[in-house]
Amino acid sequence: AQSVTQLGSHVSVSEGALVLLRCNYSSSVPPYLFWYVQYPNQGLQLLLKYTSAATLVKGINGFEAEFKKSETSFHLTKPSAHMSDAAEYFCAVSGSARQLTFGSGTQLTVLP
Amino acid sequence: GAVVSQHPSWVICKSGTSVKIECRSLDFQATTMFWYRQFPKQSLMLMATSNEGSKATYEQGVEKDKFLINHASLTLSTLTVTSAHPEDSSFYICSATPGRAGYNEQFFGPGTRLTVL
Repeated sequence: AQSVTQLGSHVSVSEGALVLLRCNYSSSVPPYLFWYVQYPNQGLQLLLKYTSAATLVKGINGFEAEFKKSETSFHLTKPSAHMSDAAEYFCAVSGSARQLTFGSGTQLTVLP
Repeated sequence: GAVVSQHPSWVICKSGTSVKIECRSLDFQATTMFWYRQFPKQSLMLMATSNEGSKATYEQGVEKDKFLINHASLTLSTLTVTSAHPEDSSFYICSATPGRAGYNEQFFGPGTRLTVL
């Protein structure tokens, strides 16, 4: 069984500041981990994925995440926030059954 | 590549009617498709998993007689909400995964907003 916990349902940062969205996972098998972004009334867009290769994963739009097995974490970061980054972000874990289990989501607000 | 479409993007219907939502993989063959439901300000909840040519597997608590899923081809899955009621109003999202072993990425459709009056 898999589960995901996203700490902080709302995160606010100033434009140009560091973005840090937290995700901790639980999985009984080596996990695949994903970060998705969702804009209002739209589907999900994949930001990046961890599939047991490099532990530091680089994604689109300047985002990256580091897989830390010892901490069971997969936090999402971006060095400098942009106004267009304001959206809902979901961390997800997948095991052998191909099903995704999503976290509860984090709403990112970027302040001018 | 890996584009998934949904139709319609939004639908309004009267209580008691049935609504069909289509999910298509446009440029790949999807051996498995998933249907999710998302309430406002909430996460995605998996409703069911469908494999081409076989019956869908529903998650606990999802009424299979109310949410009929058909995955008749490798590029099309449909979700029919039968006898819809206002509590069925939600955002429905499908996803599809190609048949590559050991790689579990899902490609998501843009979603369908269902409003039942």
